[in-house]
Amino acid sequence: DAGVIQSPRHEVTEMGQEVTLRCKPISGHNSLFWYRQTMMRGLELLIYFNNNVPIDDSGMPEDRFSAKMPNASFSTLKIQPSEPRDSAVYFCASSSYESWYQPQHFGDGTRLSIL
Amino acid sequence: KNEVEQSPQNLTAQEGEFITINCSYSVGISALHWLQQHPGGGIVSLFMLSSGKKKHGRLIATINIQEKHSSLHITASHPRDSAVYICAMEVQGAQKLVFGQGTRLTINP
Repeated sequence: DAGVIQSPRHEVTEMGQEVTLRCKPISGHNSLFWYRQTMMRGLELLIYFNNNVPIDDSGMPEDRFSAKMPNASFSTLKIQPSEPRDSAVYFCASSSYESWYQPQHFGDGTRLSIL
Repeated sequence: KNEVEQSPQNLTAQEGEFITINCSYSVGISALHWLQQHPGGGIVSLFMLSSGKKKHGRLIATINIQEKHSSLHITASHPRDSAVYICAMEVQGAQKLVFGQGTRLTINP
């Protein structure tokens, strides 16, 4: 059974460019989470969706960040324009929200470097 | 002040030793998660618990809801257990996870 699939694995781009990170959750999972990990701040929740609807986006740093989930099998996290301080590893995770006690399954992450 | 505090931040031990990592949290939770992040960066969910104790192989996780404290134990530690172990609380009433800063564990042969 395929896990959470993220693309690209690595992205290096120049400041000011638009960056799009992609995530395919595990089939049948109806909750999707975007996290960011940095040395300074550790892991932080950016936004999460239930049944494709954004539930909590309070962790999104600013208007340069946006996330969408057009259907149950795909989500994007977009940064426009990108800045060097956005450099981090971005993880996507999914889980089944049928009951409270379901673990989250993480993708391998996208390592983003903004020059 | 972080709502989830882990200790120690770094731990080095010899193969075979019994390992304990502690986690304290500050608010009511739905569940407490223990995650493992290997040097390659991938994150794996080890345990999700809301009461009592869970065991999986050589790993044991316990939680005391009244004291807002959880521990992760590793018996007969092995170099392949070397990783960062992260505690996260699932905030009551929401699915969101709030993470501790992680404990970097190194097991020497």
